Amino acid sequence: AQKITQTQPGMFVQEKEAVTLDCTYDTSDPSYGLFWYKQPSSGEMIFLIYQGSYDQQNATEGRYSLNFQKARKSANLVISASQLGDSAMYFCAMREGVDNQGGKLIFGQGTELSVKP
Amino acid sequence: EPEVTQTPSHQVTQMGQEVILRCVPISNHLYFYWYRQILGQKVEFLVSFYNNEISEKSEIFDDQFSVERPDGSNFTLKIRSTKLEDSAMYFCASSVDDRGTGELFFGEGSRLTVL
Repeated sequence: AQKITQTQPGMFVQEKEAVTLDCTYDTSDPSYGLFWYKQPSSGEMIFLIYQGSYDQQNATEGRYSLNFQKARKSANLVISASQLGDSAMYFCAMREGVDNQGGKLIFGQGTELSVKP
Repeated sequence: EPEVTQTPSHQVTQMGQEVILRCVPISNHLYFYWYRQILGQKVEFLVSFYNNEISEKSEIFDDQFSVERPDGSNFTLKIRSTKLEDSAMYFCASSVDDRGTGELFFGEGSRLTVL
C-alpha cells in the first residue's frame, strides 16, 4: 500500500490566487513528520514546510501553510497568493519514528503546479 | 547556514563504467541517505547509513551499489558497473537523528547520465 498519496498529477492556478495540493498518508506509527518539498525545473529539492504528528497547530511558513487533519490522515499544502515562480513539482513526504530504522523519508508521486499569468 | 553539498552536479558516463558520487553532509549530522529520482518520477529511497554501517536499504540498492564514509566528512555512493537505467538525479541527505519528527536536509543533487 502507498504510504504517501498525492492524487493530483497536475494543477493549474491563476496568479495571485490560492491553491491547495492534496496529500494523504498511511502510518500506524504515533510519531511521524510530514514534509513538503518544491522541485523547480533545475532539479534541486527545496524544503517548504514541516508538520509533526504531535503538533497541535497547523504549520505555516510565509505563503505556505499545511492543513493537517490527523484523523483523516491528510496533510494538504496551501499556497496563498500564487506567484509565477511557484510553478514547480511539489512532493509530500513522511518520516516515521518507531518502526523506521534509520529514519528515511518516503515520498509521494508529486504534483506539478503551473501558475498562469 | 550549513548545507549538504554534492559533487559532481552532472556526470556523463559510458555504460559499464564505475561512478562515484560524493556528498559532504552537515557537520554535526549522524544519519546519511541517498535517494534517486528518475526523470519525471518520484524520489526513491536507496539507502540510509549510520555509525559507519548501512541501517536500511531498498530493493533498488543491489550489489552494484555501495556507500562509505571514507574520511569522516565525505559520504559516497559508488555504482560499480553503470546501466542505462541508472540515469537519474541522485540526492544525498543528512539529519541529526532518526526521529520521525526530525528534518532531513538535502543536497542539490548529482545528475547522472549513462550512455
